[in-house]
Amino acid sequence: GNSVTQMEGPVTLSEEAFLTINCTYTATGYPSLFWYVQYPGEGLQLLLKATKADDKGSNKGFEATYRKETTSFHLEKGSVQVSDSAVYFCALSDRRGSNYKLTFGKGTLLTVNP
Amino acid sequence: DGGITQSPKYLFRKEGQNVTLSCEQNLNHDAMYWYRQDPGQGLRLIYYSQIVNDFQKGDIAEGYSVSREKKESFPLTVTSAQKNPTAFYLCASSSRQVRTSLSNTGELFFGEGSRLTVL
Repeated sequence: GNSVTQMEGPVTLSEEAFLTINCTYTATGYPSLFWYVQYPGEGLQLLLKATKADDKGSNKGFEATYRKETTSFHLEKGSVQVSDSAVYFCALSDRRGSNYKLTFGKGTLLTVNP
Repeated sequence: DGGITQSPKYLFRKEGQNVTLSCEQNLNHDAMYWYRQDPGQGLRLIYYSQIVNDFQKGDIAEGYSVSREKKESFPLTVTSAQKNPTAFYLCASSSRQVRTSLSNTGELFFGEGSRLTVL
C-alpha cells in the first residue's frame, strides 16, 4: 500500500535559518504530492503541491520538488520566520479509477525562535 | 466565502454519552471525509462519503457513525462504543473528479477542527 515517511520532529530553528523537512513516499501509479500546514488549534491548509515528476511546487517562500527517482518531496525554505511555526504534513494522492486516496505522513512540528 | 464549517470547536462529553460533530461545506464538493488527529500519529481516516446517501468506512471506523443526507452536510457521531474518543477531529472535502479529467489532483480542503474531550 501507499505510505509517506517524513522526518520526525520537533525541529527548532532560529529566525532566518534554512529549513529542510524530508519526505519520502511509496506508491503505485503516479501520485500527486502535497505539503499541508497546520497552525496551532486550526485545521490543515494546503501549502503547495506537485502533480508529476520534476514539478516544483512553491508558495510563501516554501518549495518542494517532485523527485520520482528518489521518491522524495522535501520541503525547503531559505529563511524561516517566527510565523512559520506550525506542523507540516507531507501527503500523496493516488488515483484509483474515479476515486482518490490521500495518505498523510505523521507530521513534523517546526518551532522558529526569534 | 466558500469553505468548510465545523462545530462546535470545543466539546466536552461524559463517558457513556454519544456526541455529534457537525460539518457543513458550501464548496459544492461531492466527497467529504472525517479524520481523527492524535499527537504524534498524524491523521487517520474515520469515514468518507463520495456521494449523497453513500459512505464508506476508513481505517478507524469502530465506535463512530456518519450520515450523508445532503451534499453539504456530513455529521459524525462519536458513540459510547469508542474506547478513546478524546481527540481533534477534522472534516474535509474534495471535488469528485470525472473519470476522464486530469485537472483534479485529489486536493482536500479542511475545516478548522473540533476538539472533543471526554471527562
